[in-house]
Amino acid sequence: AQSVTQPDIHITVSEGASLELRCNYSYGATPYLFWYVQSPGQGLQLLLKYFSGDTLVQGIKGFEAEFKRSQSSFNLRKPSVHWSDAAEYFCAVGAPNAGKSTFGDGTTLTVKP
Amino acid sequence: DSGVTQTPKHLITATGQRVTLRCSPRSGDLSVYWYQQSLDQGLQFLIQYYNGEERAKGNILERFSAQQFPDLHSELNLSSLELGDSALYFCASSPRDTEFYEQYFGPGTRLTVT
Repeated sequence: AQSVTQPDIHITVSEGASLELRCNYSYGATPYLFWYVQSPGQGLQLLLKYFSGDTLVQGIKGFEAEFKRSQSSFNLRKPSVHWSDAAEYFCAVGAPNAGKSTFGDGTTLTVKP
Repeated sequence: DSGVTQTPKHLITATGQRVTLRCSPRSGDLSVYWYQQSLDQGLQFLIQYYNGEERAKGNILERFSAQQFPDLHSELNLSSLELGDSALYFCASSPRDTEFYEQYFGPGTRLTVT
């Protein structure tokens, strides 16, 4: 069964600083990987996805993520954080042909002015 | 706006009662997923329907049931409600079923059981 671990429950960064949110997954083959963002009181919005091919994927809002098979990781990065990026971020893994995904527990991002 | 709609936005009810949550997927999407989000359990997958048929089941209680109708909207029925059922319930949709694609989430229904 697949699983996802987001080691950081809460991260605080200053506006303009770089950001990296960690995600580790467990799955027997190459999974489908996703990052979602949830603003307070809102549903989840897809930031980016990895299915195959180039291991560095670009998403919306200036986010990118890198798939590293050897480390079973799919970390999310942004070079310069904006105050509006404050939200909860979820990493998810989907197994091909499984019809469902498994979400991590989320990382809450606080942005300091 | 993801294109997925959920009603109602908020629901307050008493223990022992039954409620129905409604979801309309994005136009053209055949799969509907239901999730429960609570502070202590995180985001939990409940159930998936594809084109009217149940496709996958997650941590869904026996007191909960769902269905997807011919027009592809879905309903999640929660019965014999307990205080612990208070949570945000999300519906998501995607175009396919077993080929896994990204999901588009609705804004959620916040259920409060008193």
